[in-house]
Amino acid sequence: DGGITQSPKYLFRKEGQNVTLSCEQNLNHDAMYWYRQDPGQGLRLIYYSQIVNDFQKGDIAEGYSVSREKKESFPLTVTSAQKNPTAFYLCASSMVASEYYEQYFGPGTRLTVT
Amino acid sequence: AQKVTQAQTEISVVEKEDVTLDCVYETRDTTYYLFWYKQPPSGELVFLIRRNSFDEQNEISGRYSWNFQKSTSSFNFTITASQVVDSAVYFCALSGRTGTYKYIFGTGTRLKVLA
Repeated sequence: DGGITQSPKYLFRKEGQNVTLSCEQNLNHDAMYWYRQDPGQGLRLIYYSQIVNDFQKGDIAEGYSVSREKKESFPLTVTSAQKNPTAFYLCASSMVASEYYEQYFGPGTRLTVT
Repeated sequence: AQKVTQAQTEISVVEKEDVTLDCVYETRDTTYYLFWYKQPPSGELVFLIRRNSFDEQNEISGRYSWNFQKSTSSFNFTITASQVVDSAVYFCALSGRTGTYKYIFGTGTRLKVLA
């Protein structure tokens, strides 16, 4: 089955530690995205990548970093510089980075930092 | 600026009732796309529909229907004969060239269907 996998489902970290969230897709999509979801708010774009070895900041990139070394993988690192890292993180992909194509989402990772 | 407003934070209905979820958008783009996604308790957003700005035909898919009206900048979603499995958070989203391929999401409407 084609789809997007994110692991783990739940992640706990101590404040001051960097943590990397995994996102893998086997849909052969060029574009991948990371969103953050907080209670009562819509999804906010952190980073997106249109193609391998290329990525752009979204609306809330501060305190986050990404890499896109393989088409299938788009890991997100939440650094200690992110002031409020506790949130639900969703990875998505689309055929290409276009306003037309729908995005497909993974099951999400809920990160709790204490 | 682009904006999506889902004024209904939470709606509760009894099973078999019809329910309409509202979505109002703002954009300066002449070409844009509107989407609806469902987020069940599992967390994964599920794509429901895409509508482009040049197609104002209403669409029906089973118990789901969508009403797109450019005159009022609205793209409302109706579930007919609701079921408990429809309980979820529903998001409306907008994309257009001004947004550099990103979606602008509304804050979502939580629908609770009671048995």
